[in-house]
Formats: sequence, structure tokens, C-alpha cells
Amino acid sequence: SQQGEEDPQALSIQEGENATMNCSYKTSINNLQWYRQNSGRGLVHLILIRSNEREKHSGRLRVTLDTSKKSSSLLITASRAADTASYFCATGFNNDMRFGAGTRLTVKP
Amino acid sequence: SQTIHQWPATLVQPVGSPLSLECTVEGTSNPNLYWYRQAAGRGLQLLFYSVGIGQISSEVPQNLSASRPQDRQFILSSKKLLLSDSGFYLCAWSPGLAGLQETQYFGPGTRLLVL
Repeated sequence: SQQGEEDPQALSIQEGENATMNCSYKTSINNLQWYRQNSGRGLVHLILIRSNEREKHSGRLRVTLDTSKKSSSLLITASRAADTASYFCATGFNNDMRFGAGTRLTVKP
Repeated sequence: SQTIHQWPATLVQPVGSPLSLECTVEGTSNPNLYWYRQAAGRGLQLLFYSVGIGQISSEVPQNLSASRPQDRQFILSSKKLLLSDSGFYLCAWSPGLAGLQETQYFGPGTRLLVL
């Protein structure tokens, strides 16, 4: 399906370490977006990467997209306790967008 | 700048009671509007979206309905709540320039508990 699936479901790391989350999908996409959700809050958009792009950066965030493998990764470098949240990928195709189930990231101080 | 409001923040309702959740957007015109439901620890399920006043598309058949009486107002309703309607309801908007796959901006959410 178009809907992305994040991996792992949960990730726990120490402050200062890097965190990598993956998103896989099964059909073609026009773009892929990553969102963050703090507990009990709305989602916040992080990065959008188009199907013809391979890598994008925003501050401590790095997103890669491999359309041949139908996968994307979100890397958070030098993590902080404030990065604790759920991270969702959303795949856009054919005037539609679907969210995955998310990765729950815990950064321990 | 654009802002999106949802209310109430929390709601506890008995089974069989009606529901009305409201979402308003400021600082933009003719946005696409969306209602999502999120079960605890899960992803987002798109319930309804709207590309204009009075235009509502339903994604999942259920006892909920949506209306868009004004350009920047989106309402989620039910005549009789079920236990399974409990969840976290999120409203979102997008600029409406690139279809439904463009960046969406979310409200703070309403937590609904049906008892």
C-alpha cells in the first residue's frame, strides 16, 4: 500500500547519541514527509522530500529517500531529551497522503 | 501567520450523546481542512477532508459527520456517540495549492472519552 510503515516501533537512546528511524512503503510516491508529535499534542511538520530528491537537511535532522528500495530514513544527530516524541512518516501520491503508525523515540538524559 | 484552533481540549461524554468538535483556522483563505482520529499509541486515521465550503469527502463510513459552514471552520459531529468513538481527534489544514499531499498543519487536538 502507499501508507508508510515506520521501523522500529520504539527506540530508546541516551542524550547525545544519534537516532535513526526508517519508513518503508510499497507503491510509488510523489513526496514523503516526516512529522513529530509530542505526547498529547498535534503533529508538527519537520521535512518534506520529493521523489526526485535523495537527501535533505534541516538543523540536526537529515532525511534520505531511496525510491528504488521504497524507503526513507530520518536521522536526528546529537539527540536531546526534548527530542522525545513520536515520529511519523507520511507518503504523498495521486492527490492523497497517508500516515504510518509512527516510531516512539525516548531520549534519556 | 496562520494559526489553527480546536476546542474543547478534553471532552467526556456518555454513550448515545451528541458530539460537536470545532476547528477554526486564521490567517489563510480557502484552505484544505482535515479531521483525523488517533487511537492511543497508534497512527492517524483520516476521517474527513474538505477542499471548499460545503464540500466534504468521507474516508471511513461511521456514525460521524463533518461540515464546513464557513471557509475556515470545520466541524465534526455525531448524533449518538459509541464507545468506539473514544480517541484523540486532530484537525489540520493545508494551503490547498498542491492537492491533498501537501504539508499539513495540525491543531492541538481534542481528547474524547466516551463512557
